[in-house]
Amino acid sequence: QVQLVQSGGDVKKPGASVKVSCKASGYTFSSYDITWVRQAPGQGLEWMGWISPHNGKTDYARQLQGRVTMSTDTATNTAYLELRGLRSDDTAVYYCARDLGDYGNLNPLGYWGQGTLVTVSS
Amino acid sequence: DIQMTQSPSSLSASVGDRITITCRASQSISISVNWYQQRPGKPPKLLIAAASFLPSGVPSRFSGSGSGTDFSLTIDSLQPDDFATYYCQQSSNNPYTFGQGTRVEIK
Repeated sequence: QVQLVQSGGDVKKPGASVKVSCKASGYTFSSYDITWVRQAPGQGLEWMGWISPHNGKTDYARQLQGRVTMSTDTATNTAYLELRGLRSDDTAVYYCARDLGDYGNLNPLGYWGQGTLVTVSS
Repeated sequence: DIQMTQSPSSLSASVGDRITITCRASQSISISVNWYQQRPGKPPKLLIAAASFLPSGVPSRFSGSGSGTDFSLTIDSLQPDDFATYYCQQSSNNPYTFGQGTRVEIK
């Protein structure tokens, strides 16, 4: 069965960087894009972007350009999200998710990691 | 950016009720809308793909409709497990924005 297991929570100071991992299993890792979504405490969902493990192509949310890097390691079936220049409003649960498949580029997110809480505080 | 405006932002309903949540896109997006359910402390769960398709394992009491700018999610005969927050999301243009969410509470 498809599983996405994320790294544990982290506390960072403003200005620092964080790197969250998402280890995939149960399917051919390179065949499906990985999307990252975050959710600030008590707030809604924010799409951050996606990466193709097949060719490394990325598509980042414009408001995060320059601060975010998504990457993958196909040897370990792991996706990574790095966010730099952290601010207090980056405090959120970060989710990785996988396309359900079968819907072309409509990208319904059918499989989700458990979430990783990143807290930015001085 | 495409704005996704959900309504209502919250509603109270009883077990067995039929409810409808709507989502309006700020520009036409064909059928590029997905719907998710989220319970507290859990990741979202996909309910509807491409505006009206029910993924395997999703109960048939959930249905979606719409195209262009107006979309809806309907739940027939609400069950106790359905009290949660629901989000629409457009997957037409970067950024793939979500609606602000609709919280469904027990009356």
